[in-house]
Amino acid sequence: NAGVTQTPKFRILKIGQSMTLQCAQDMNHNYMYWYRQDPGMGLKLIYYSVGAGITDKGEVPNGYNVSRSTTEDFPLRLELAAPSQTSVYFCASSSGSQLSTDTQYFGPGTRLTVL
Amino acid sequence: GNSVTQMEGPVTLSEEAFLTINCTYTATGYPSLFWYVQYPGEGLQLLLKATKADDKGSNKGFEATYRKETTSFHLEKGSVQVSDSAVYFCALRYNNDMRFGAGTRLTVKP
Repeated sequence: NAGVTQTPKFRILKIGQSMTLQCAQDMNHNYMYWYRQDPGMGLKLIYYSVGAGITDKGEVPNGYNVSRSTTEDFPLRLELAAPSQTSVYFCASSSGSQLSTDTQYFGPGTRLTVL
Repeated sequence: GNSVTQMEGPVTLSEEAFLTINCTYTATGYPSLFWYVQYPGEGLQLLLKATKADDKGSNKGFEATYRKETTSFHLEKGSVQVSDSAVYFCALRYNNDMRFGAGTRLTVKP
């Protein structure tokens, strides 16, 4: 049972390049999330999904896209990388069976630098 | 809107000292409240949670009580250990809205 896995661990992009951050979970969780964590700041929700084929915007969605074709995978796409997207990105999942007590399980993160 | 304000760090304590990290929240409804911990190089892990007023969450010697009258969820531990050194995040959840505080870095010295 690997939990939540993310690839790559580190990446450096040039301005205007695109890339996909991969996230997978093996806990059969319905809910999946993408967050970014800027230095000295808390996590901010980018997008989330409540099940395969269903996604919705979080607090800071601009510049990102997501898809959820399977229960296990929730990739995050950056189309035109900008320096403001330099951050650490965390993927998380939860069962979603009862939102008030729902525990999120986090991946180890992807550190992205845009130069 | 919903938000979380957390005590700024860093906090440095000696082993066996008492720990308090303050957290207050603003919410339009009645959220669930959480404390997460992040060890170096890792993702966040749930430390404890509380889902309604006056609930006390506890785990590994840490405690926090959901205080509706003061909109607070302060984290406490009676005797910290070196292994407690980490960044602690207060968070709230109201339906699908998740908000995190900025995090408080705790360093415990032997």
